Amino acid sequence: GAGVSQSPRYKVAKRGQDVALRCDPISGHVSLFWYQQALGQGPEFLTYFQNEAQLDKSGLPSDRFFAERPEGSVSTLKIQRTQQEDSAVYLCASSSYSGGMTDEQYFGPGTRLTVT
Amino acid sequence: DQQVKQNSPSLSVQEGRISILNCDYTNSMFDYFLWYKKYPAEGPTFLISISSIKDKNEDGRFTVFLNKSAKHLSLHIVPSQPGDSAVYFCAARNNNDMRFGAGTRLTVKP
Repeated sequence: GAGVSQSPRYKVAKRGQDVALRCDPISGHVSLFWYQQALGQGPEFLTYFQNEAQLDKSGLPSDRFFAERPEGSVSTLKIQRTQQEDSAVYLCASSSYSGGMTDEQYFGPGTRLTVT
Repeated sequence: DQQVKQNSPSLSVQEGRISILNCDYTNSMFDYFLWYKKYPAEGPTFLISISSIKDKNEDGRFTVFLNKSAKHLSLHIVPSQPGDSAVYFCAARNNNDMRFGAGTRLTVKP
């Protein structure tokens, strides 16, 4: 496809369950970002990959959150033992990263996670 | 800590008039500023940006103004159209560290 895709679009999990959220970036894009967007807030940075290397994970809120991008393309954000405060929209973005600060990030539609 | 703030959660304007969306930031290390537009059930899409070395960038109906001394930027949409109705996010970047405001919901009435 032409854009960033994410699956599932909606996920309902019972508290304590593990979830895995998938992101398919734009083909050839080197950089991949995960954001968490709580209701009524802007996206908040979680983690950043350049190819398969996770260069920044400073935004991950706890050790229950784990992200990987083993082949430098598709990425998975995993949340273990989900809590109600994890309920949010999880956005993935990719960019071509030419090294300049003007690299535009293209966002996927997000996965809305509801923890009950 | 909220480093990027959009203090107006909503704005309503008449079609054909000017829409002005405001954004304030606190971190002087930010050197690139962006506006994103978001429709329901879609991800944010890039609208316009400005480097910290400039004070104005114009693209069609959209103009972004940057006042570095005040750490303030604004997005002007002239003339506003009903299709501009969406949530607008301001974002500020320092390398790969990008921070977003909470968004302003713009409604353009026909």
